[in-house]
Amino acid sequence: DVKVTQSSRYLVKRTGEKVFLECVQDMDHENMFWYRQDPGLGLRLIYFSYDVKMKEKGDIPEGYSVSREKKERFSLILESASTNQTSMYLCASSIPDGGVYFGAGTRLSVL
Amino acid sequence: KNQVEQSPQSLIILEGKNCTLQCNYTVSPFSNLRWYKQDTGRGPVSLTIMTFSENTKSNGRYTATLDADTKQSSLHITASQLSDSASYICVVSPNFGNEKLTFGTGTRLTIIP
Repeated sequence: DVKVTQSSRYLVKRTGEKVFLECVQDMDHENMFWYRQDPGLGLRLIYFSYDVKMKEKGDIPEGYSVSREKKERFSLILESASTNQTSMYLCASSIPDGGVYFGAGTRLSVL
Repeated sequence: KNQVEQSPQSLIILEGKNCTLQCNYTVSPFSNLRWYKQDTGRGPVSLTIMTFSENTKSNGRYTATLDADTKQSSLHITASQLSDSASYICVVSPNFGNEKLTFGTGTRLTIIP
């Protein structure tokens, strides 16, 4: 079974803090993704990566950056957290045109 | 603009009953359509994936249909169980690769005993 593991289920941070969300997959997938999920909006793509050190902006990259130093690990970084970044963050991985496998999610609250 | 619309937004049914969830999309071009189940506080889990040449696919008590001409899909759940309570999300891909997925906002299904 594919496993996508997100390091935290719940996080509470203060406005202005730098926040790291970590994601690890164990299936040697090339592609990894970060989404955020908000009520009534569906999942929206923040960034994706198709290889180590490669990244592409998704639909809502503003306020976020990513890092992929190793194939199995994809990190989402909030340089200076703001209250409008309070959300559920979902990491995913896939092979090209294959099934997409999601982690359990990190619910981030920014106070 | 690519869009995926799902109906109803929420649905409550008695345990043991059947139900059908709807998905209409305007994504073009079209490669495949997926249905995911998302339990509360968890990540989505894939139920089915259908390409334009497939018009039905089953996964246990879940049966998905696809009409690529009318751009409609449905997910039918047979003999519902309490564990079917979840959000069901329709997702459409326009091309090879997974970086351009368009997600619906989901149908929240509640099964009551």
